[in-house]
Amino acid sequence: QVQLVESGGGVVQPGRSLRLSCAASGFSFSSYSIHWVRLAPGKGLDWVAVISYNGANKYYADSVRGRFTISRDNSKNTLYLEMNSLRADDTALYHCAREGTTLTTYAFDVWGQGTMVTVSS
Amino acid sequence: QSVLTQPPSVSGAPGQRVTISCAGGSSNIGAGYDVHWYQHLPGTAPKLLIFGNSNRPSGVPDRFSGSKSGTSASLAITGLQAEDETDYYCQSYDSSLSGRVFGGGTKLTVL
Repeated sequence: QVQLVESGGGVVQPGRSLRLSCAASGFSFSSYSIHWVRLAPGKGLDWVAVISYNGANKYYADSVRGRFTISRDNSKNTLYLEMNSLRADDTALYHCAREGTTLTTYAFDVWGQGTMVTVSS
Repeated sequence: QSVLTQPPSVSGAPGQRVTISCAGGSSNIGAGYDVHWYQHLPGTAPKLLIFGNSNRPSGVPDRFSGSKSGTSASLAITGLQAEDETDYYCQSYDSSLSGRVFGGGTKLTVL
């Protein structure tokens, strides 16, 4: 079935780095833009970044631009998020989400369950 | 502070109708960008509930409906059921931020 599975989360000290992965299955991964969205404790969903289907275009939220890098390997059906200079306010459950097509007006139509990142000394 | 504004909580008795508002501005909803709604039980994968302002994906009951007018949108849930008790988020695109934006989320309590 259509599925996204995140991994790579953990506890990391402020200022350190972490790389998240999102493995896709059940659909043509290379045909879709994919996003990262996070949910911090006690807060709402927060959009982080997006990468186009072929990796040519990348966009970031102001809060992570310059620190986070989104990338993908279509040969491995996998999305990545390289997070550097991590801060306490990056603590969140990180979800990857597929951007649908014109048929769903580009809504996020498939989501993973998320991987938890905790930034703490 | 979210770009899109939702009430933190709403409540209703089983069988009743509730609405959740989503207020935006001239660079997002008011600019004509679509609004989508998600149902999210924390710790699980969010679920697309409404796309393109008022369309339901297959499998979503017709108890859920969406609408948009001017700079705001709303989600209506009729025939409330206990299983509807969870968090709901609106989402759109913001041209001044050049990115997707979410509302702060609304917790629905079924009394």
